[in-house]
Amino acid sequence: EIVMTQSPATLSVSPGERATLSCRASQSVSSNLAWYQQKPGQAPRLLIYGASTRATGIPARFSGSGSGTEFTLTISSLQSEDFTVYYCQQYNNWPLTFGGGTKVEIK
Amino acid sequence: EVQLVESGGGLVQPGESLRLSCAASGFTFSSSSMNWVRQAPGKGLEWISYITSSSSTIYYADSVKGRFTISRDNAKNSLYLQMNSLRAEDTAVYYCARDQVLRVWGKGTTVTVSS
Repeated sequence: EIVMTQSPATLSVSPGERATLSCRASQSVSSNLAWYQQKPGQAPRLLIYGASTRATGIPARFSGSGSGTEFTLTISSLQSEDFTVYYCQQYNNWPLTFGGGTKVEIK
Repeated sequence: EVQLVESGGGLVQPGESLRLSCAASGFTFSSSSMNWVRQAPGKGLEWISYITSSSSTIYYADSVKGRFTISRDNAKNSLYLQMNSLRAEDTAVYYCARDQVLRVWGKGTTVTVSS
């Protein structure tokens, strides 16, 4: 099983600033990496797939990069609605596995 | 509108069974692979099962293998999860989600296993 590790667990950022979230895979997942946003009481929402492709309707301030074992989600200028939890997920191998999540909070 | 709606959750005792359903609309369900993903209270996301469009390939997480069964009825645009021998650690919100990249999610249905 591929273990996905997200860091940091909590990220404190001021509105308007840039947030950089990291995700590491225990072995290569190529570019088969997705990012999800989950707000309290809601289902997750797909942000990024293929490590860097934005899903339909996702604002341009969200961007993804990386391949192999190291990945990054960048939110260029945090808006109030962006302060929530983010998960990475690999879909290169079964079982599908998620990282433990990064909570982005207001500084 | 693309939509997934889960149902069938509830409160059950350890060892009992439950069948979850996921009704799909707004897309060609018969061409889509599907998943069940769960989230225990206050915890992260856990993938538990996958089924291809034709049901030819099925995968399970080790945590549910031998106890849960995924199935689908393309004529009814529906996905199912039969859960047997339920344990306290199966308590979670259960989501259905479309494709290997989990593009579309339902709002979830809550399963509570407690005596």
